[in-house]
Amino acid sequence: KQEVTQIPAALSVPEGENLVLNCSFTDSAIYNLQWFRQDPGKGLTSLLLIQSSQREQTSGRLNASLDKSSGRSTLYIAASQPGDSATYLCAVQGTDKLIFGTGTRLQVFP
Amino acid sequence: KAGVTQTPRYLIKTRGQQVTLSCSPISGHRSVSWYQQTPGQGLQFLFEYFSETQRNKGNFPGRFSGRQFSNSRSEMNVSTLELGDSALYLCASSLWTGVTGELFFGEGSRLTVL
Repeated sequence: KQEVTQIPAALSVPEGENLVLNCSFTDSAIYNLQWFRQDPGKGLTSLLLIQSSQREQTSGRLNASLDKSSGRSTLYIAASQPGDSATYLCAVQGTDKLIFGTGTRLQVFP
Repeated sequence: KAGVTQTPRYLIKTRGQQVTLSCSPISGHRSVSWYQQTPGQGLQFLFEYFSETQRNKGNFPGRFSGRQFSNSRSEMNVSTLELGDSALYLCASSLWTGVTGELFFGEGSRLTVL
């Protein structure tokens, strides 16, 4: 059974810091891994999608890496801003469904 | 390009009632999947529909059901509501089946059961 864990559960940093959010999964047989952000009471916004054959994806200040063999993905946020404050979720796509991690609640203060 | 639209956004029901939630996917998307989000259990997969056929189903009781129409719009129904059904219900659409495609989520329908 696939299990997805995110560390840390919460993070509070000053503006401008570079951040690394971690996601680990137990079953390496995945199709892809997707990172989302969720603002309080809102839906999920897709940030990056990494196919199982890829090692990383970049979008603006965000970079996500995937290491299937070790069951890990990291989301790197460069030069964090207060607007980055949200909950970040990773999700792995198996053969039949998407399994979400527990999320990292990020607060970036001015 | 319009995103995924979910209606209603908020609703309050009492135990024993039933509820129907609607999801309109992004134009051209053929896959719609549903998720339940609660503080205790996080995000859990309910089911996925592709071309009007249910492709996958999560571990939820039979009170939770869904369907997809020929225009890809989807509805989910929960019968005999329980207090524990209070949650944010999220719908996501994808161009192809969710296994291969990037998912785009709606804002959700927040259900409160009293």
